[in-house]
Amino acid sequence: GGIITQTPKFLIGQEGQKLTLKCQQNFNHDTMYWYRQDSGKGLRLIYYSITENDLQKGDLSEGYDASREKKSSFSLTVTSAQKNEMAVFLCASRQGTGQLYFGEGSKLTVL
Amino acid sequence: AQSVTQPDARVTVSEGASLQLRCKYSYSGTPYLFWYVQYPRQGLQLLLKYYSGDPVVQGVNGFEAEFIKSNSSFHLRKASVHWSDSAVYFCAVSAYNNNAPRFGAGTKLSVKP
Repeated sequence: GGIITQTPKFLIGQEGQKLTLKCQQNFNHDTMYWYRQDSGKGLRLIYYSITENDLQKGDLSEGYDASREKKSSFSLTVTSAQKNEMAVFLCASRQGTGQLYFGEGSKLTVL
Repeated sequence: AQSVTQPDARVTVSEGASLQLRCKYSYSGTPYLFWYVQYPRQGLQLLLKYYSGDPVVQGVNGFEAEFIKSNSSFHLRKASVHWSDSAVYFCAVSAYNNNAPRFGAGTKLSVKP
């Protein structure tokens, strides 16, 4: 079986700082996703990518950049961290028939 | 775009009782529907999915869900819950030809011993 690896698991930054989260998958899936999970709000789609070098904005893309330089990796950058950015960020990849496979998440704390 | 509503933020049931977690979706076309479970400090795992055919789909650990098109619903059920079922459950919808699944807010299930 495959695995989604997110790094770092915990990221602490300062307000206004640029912060980057990384995601690697070895499923050989074409499509990858970044979701933000806030308590009581579920998962909200930030960016997704259907192939290498492709980027598609989701519902919450403002304040974020993404990069898909290789099929196996997908990075997310918080361009200027704000105190209300404390959340868990989940990376996922998609099997052809629609099922998503998720990483364990990266928890962001902004001081 | 499609959307999902899970009206119950928290549900508490006793061990051995039956369970229904509600999910309603909004999408005018043919939906792909999913239920995922998230155990503490873990990522989401698929419980079951519906693409077409029999509207009642079976999943792992005795869970099932029924697609009711007329009601735009995809409620999750289990006949008898176990304490280990305590987790957060997410309903998700994806359009037939779209790559961006949308998730509901989740329902936190607590099972009392």
